[in-house]
Amino acid sequence: TQLLEQSPQFLSIQEGENLTVYCNSSSVFSSLQWYRQEPGEGPVLLVTVVTGGEVKKLKRLTFQFGDARKDSSLHITAAQPGDTGLYLCAGVNYSNDYKLSFGAGTTVTVRA
Amino acid sequence: GAVVSQHPSRVICKSGTSVKIECRSLDFQATTMFWYRQFPKQSLMLMATSNEGSKATYEQGVEKDKFLINHASLTLSTLTVTSAHPEDSSFYICSAIGAGAYNEQFFGPGTRLTVL
Repeated sequence: TQLLEQSPQFLSIQEGENLTVYCNSSSVFSSLQWYRQEPGEGPVLLVTVVTGGEVKKLKRLTFQFGDARKDSSLHITAAQPGDTGLYLCAGVNYSNDYKLSFGAGTTVTVRA
Repeated sequence: GAVVSQHPSRVICKSGTSVKIECRSLDFQATTMFWYRQFPKQSLMLMATSNEGSKATYEQGVEKDKFLINHASLTLSTLTVTSAHPEDSSFYICSAIGAGAYNEQFFGPGTRLTVL
């Protein structure tokens, strides 16, 4: 079983501050996906990173995939209350029926 | 887009009854769908992989006779919780591999099951 360790588990910051969420594994993944989930709803795909060392930006969100494709990070600049939610990283190996291995999740709360 | 719907969004049932949850891909065909279970404040736990036209593949520890999965068409998979008990109360979420560039999974909105 592939394990993805996600940290921190909880993060509470003031509006305007920056935050970083980390996702680490000892296993190599074909790709890694980041999702955001709000209470009572399903996860929504934010980004997929595929290439080692890849950096993708989505407005104030920056996603990085480690060179060895074992780890990833999500950085939010100038966080807003609308960024509040559960952030989940998930790794996938294409040889394993595209099953996702989820991290434990990071609950982010941005206070106004 | 790649829209996945679930029905019902929430259901309350009595212990011992069976409950069926539907998962539909609305704007694409999905040969593979997945069923997850999520407890409060926790991540998603994969229950089974649903393949159109064939038997579902269950993860270790998931009872296939308890959680019946039928994927009869390219746009519909159903999960039936048989003889439900209070410990089956949970948030059930399905996903489908859509037309994304990397075969990403797109998730439904989830179904909140409460067994009294």
